[in-house]
Amino acid sequence: AQSVTQLDSHVSVSEGTPVLLRCNYSSSYSPSLFWYVQHPNKGLQLLLKYTSAATLVKGINGFEAEFKKSETSFHLTKPSAHMSDAAEYFCVVSDQMGRGSTLGRLYFGRGTQLTVWP
Amino acid sequence: DTAVSQTPKYLVTQMGNDKSIKCEQNLGHDTMYWYKQDSKKFLKIMFSYNNKELIINETVPNRFSPKSPDKAHLNLHINSLELGDSAVYFCASSARLAGRRTDTQYFGPGTRLTVL
Repeated sequence: AQSVTQLDSHVSVSEGTPVLLRCNYSSSYSPSLFWYVQHPNKGLQLLLKYTSAATLVKGINGFEAEFKKSETSFHLTKPSAHMSDAAEYFCVVSDQMGRGSTLGRLYFGRGTQLTVWP
Repeated sequence: DTAVSQTPKYLVTQMGNDKSIKCEQNLGHDTMYWYKQDSKKFLKIMFSYNNKELIINETVPNRFSPKSPDKAHLNLHINSLELGDSAVYFCASSARLAGRRTDTQYFGPGTRLTVL
């Protein structure tokens, strides 16, 4: 079975300081992993994805994430936060190797609300 | 050049009414989805269609019925609306890859449904 745990429901940082949003996953198969961002009253935008290629994945807006199989983690980082980064972030796992109706299904974490202080 | 669009963006209605939400994608994808985001922002899949065929049908009340007239459209019809149906509903689409896998899902802007 697939599941995602986002370890922090809220993260607050000052502008210009590093961002770390933590995510652990559980998957019966080799997973595909994603980070999506949702700005207030907006839809979901793909930040980056891991699909069994390079373990360090670079995304948009300076974000990156590292897939660590031994730790079953896929933490999202950014060296320097910007005010515009304030949003809800979702870690997502996809079942790409399963069978039947679970194939292609996305399993969302509960989200991490990122606040950026000036 | 909107990729995945939904109408309406906001929908306010009374309990017991029937309403529909429309979704269209111009990405040439053949798989489309409906998700529900609750008041705590948790997202869960409701339905998935591939080439107009239902392939994922979660435990959703029978009052919810998806309809796919063609592979670029997936509409959601809700009968006898209840207070608990208030949520944000997101449509998404993806391409189908080899071996029945699916590519990245792209989401629409969401429809905020409020049932009074």
